[in-house]
Amino acid sequence: SQQGEEDPQALSIQEGENATMNCSYKTSINNLQWYRQNSGRGLVHLILIRSNEREKHSGRLRVTLDTSKKSSSLLITASRAADTASYFCATDATSNNDMRFGAGTRLTVKP
Amino acid sequence: SQTIHQWPATLVQPVGSPLSLECTVEGTSNPNLYWYRQAAGRGLQLLFYSVGIGQISSEVPQNLSASRPQDRQFILSSKKLLLSDSGFYLCAWSAGWDRATYEQYFGPGTRLTVT
Repeated sequence: SQQGEEDPQALSIQEGENATMNCSYKTSINNLQWYRQNSGRGLVHLILIRSNEREKHSGRLRVTLDTSKKSSSLLITASRAADTASYFCATDATSNNDMRFGAGTRLTVKP
Repeated sequence: SQTIHQWPATLVQPVGSPLSLECTVEGTSNPNLYWYRQAAGRGLQLLFYSVGIGQISSEVPQNLSASRPQDRQFILSSKKLLLSDSGFYLCAWSAGWDRATYEQYFGPGTRLTVT
């Protein structure tokens, strides 16, 4: 079963705008990861944030984690058409150390 | 550098036929290996993972099986495919046994259509 749930399911923005995607989960976690998937391709790891971290940056990516709300957000700043892809969060559960992927957010960046 | 290969890229098979998907990793030793299935527009479902040769753990009961005959080779098989087996199959590897700590590296995937 899925642990992480992304929101929104789909997001369409103009190039240059910021894109924010959210992930909510149900059980306590050790860490949370964000992955990107271009259509019909494998997943690419973007960033990992540990449960004791609140924010992490990587280039134009900013990830936040709020363990009290059991949620995370992925912000892509100054979006580009090449950012068009599906974005997944993956969480583990401290109870069984198992990693689960959400259904993903489909991001479309219009040039 | 490490690379991961999957083949075939696409496959169309009739119901009841056998299946064999292969995944190989280069450039690393003793990787943890994973098979995922992704239904259209959905997240990934972990099918099998392996921490070593001959060691296979199954996450969900199904008519699929996995084998790891060599350190860097992972095979997904079925004796008789079902329509519900259609999907996008992804192989991945990671460096650590704790897959929630070490990032996973994914192959390009195999698109399977069962007709």
